[in-house]
Amino acid sequence: QVQLVESGGGLVKPGGSLRLSCAASGFTFSDYYMSWIRQAPGKGLEWVSYISSSSSYTNYADSVKGRFTISRDNAKNSLYLQMNSLRAEDTAVYYCARLWGYSYGSTYYYYGMDVWGQGTTVTVSS
Amino acid sequence: DIQMTQSPSSVSASVGDRVTITCRASQGISSWLAWYQQKPGKAPKLLIYAASSLQSGVPSRFSGSGSGTDFTLTISSLQPEDFATYYCQQANSFPSTFGQGTRLEIK
Repeated sequence: QVQLVESGGGLVKPGGSLRLSCAASGFTFSDYYMSWIRQAPGKGLEWVSYISSSSSYTNYADSVKGRFTISRDNAKNSLYLQMNSLRAEDTAVYYCARLWGYSYGSTYYYYGMDVWGQGTTVTVSS
Repeated sequence: DIQMTQSPSSVSASVGDRVTITCRASQGISSWLAWYQQKPGKAPKLLIYAASSLQSGVPSRFSGSGSGTDFTLTISSLQPEDFATYYCQQANSFPSTFGQGTRLEIK
């Protein structure tokens, strides 16, 4: 079945680093744009980053730009999020999600995030 | 960035009630809007895409409407499993943005 499984979360000190992974199965991973979304405790959803199917395009929320790097390995059906210079406000559950849409020219039009992982918890605290 | 504002922030309703949640975008997004349902401790689930299209497997009591800046999610007859938090998301441009959520509680 179509599935995304995140891993790599944990407790890290402010200023530290962490790398999240997301393993995809049940669909052709290389056909889809992918995204990371996070949810701070008791708060709403915040989009973090996306990456195109071939890794040609990436984009980041201003809150993580310059600190986080999204990447993927289509041969391993895996998505990653390298998080550096972590802050207390980065504490959240991090979800990977499939961006369902289509490419037209140089633009990707997406309908929504139709497959989500179960989430991995990142806690930034001294 | 496009701001998404949902109302109400929370609503209490009974099984069988009809409930409507509103989402307003700070600028026009055509029909590039999605709705999600999230239950405690679970990942969000896509309910509606392109403002009014029902995602596969989602019960027909859920419906969406609107275009431009104003959108609604309607649940025609609440079922016990519908009590959750609902989010809208604009899919018009990045950064993608979500509404703050509407918590649907049992009266």
